[in-house]
Amino acid sequence: GQQLNQSPQSMFIQEGEDVSMNCTSSSIFNTWLWYKQDPGEGPVLLIALYKAGELTSNGRLTAQFGITRTDSFLNIAASIPSDVGIYFCARGGNNDMRFGAGTRLTVKP
Amino acid sequence: DAGVTQSPTHLIKTRGQHVTLRCSPISGHKSVSWYQQVLGQGPQFIFQYYEKEERGRGNFPDRFSARQFPNYSSELNVNALLLGDSALYLCASSRGQESSYNSPLHFGNGTRLTVT
Repeated sequence: GQQLNQSPQSMFIQEGEDVSMNCTSSSIFNTWLWYKQDPGEGPVLLIALYKAGELTSNGRLTAQFGITRTDSFLNIAASIPSDVGIYFCARGGNNDMRFGAGTRLTVKP
Repeated sequence: DAGVTQSPTHLIKTRGQHVTLRCSPISGHKSVSWYQQVLGQGPQFIFQYYEKEERGRGNFPDRFSARQFPNYSSELNVNALLLGDSALYLCASSRGQESSYNSPLHFGNGTRLTVT
């Protein structure tokens, strides 16, 4: 199947540090999305990428759609405690989205 | 505007029973999708309904079924429950059949199903 490989699986960082996580696939995708899930809640869309090479920002978050269309990264600048959660990459399109296994982020004050 | 609402929020069932989970999409959204999220994993696609018709099905057994009503709300039914069906079941809605920049997928907070 079309697997999405997210790394790292988990991160423990100090408040104020920058964070970088990525997602790779063996297949080419036309859409990459990044979601965040807080405990007890559903995933919330952070950034959507629709063009190869696209670099998009949402506040302190920046994501890029790789030129080869097989990877994407998400950066978080100057992390704060509320950044804690699980970050998922997903390939989208027809709403039958495929999600990675997630990167669990812990931010120490 | 109200987001995607799901009921119940938590449910405990025993093996062999059946369960019905409910979802109300955001007003104006015609597409509803269902996902299963097992602890420690990302959501796995189960079904998509658009305009009351099934438009996609994931790799789940026939014990799983769903439908969409004229008001675009949806039900997910699971028969003959197994222990492995214990998971968070997420419903998501979007305006169109395909998620896009102008019509992203919005998730509810899920129903936590525990099968004992």
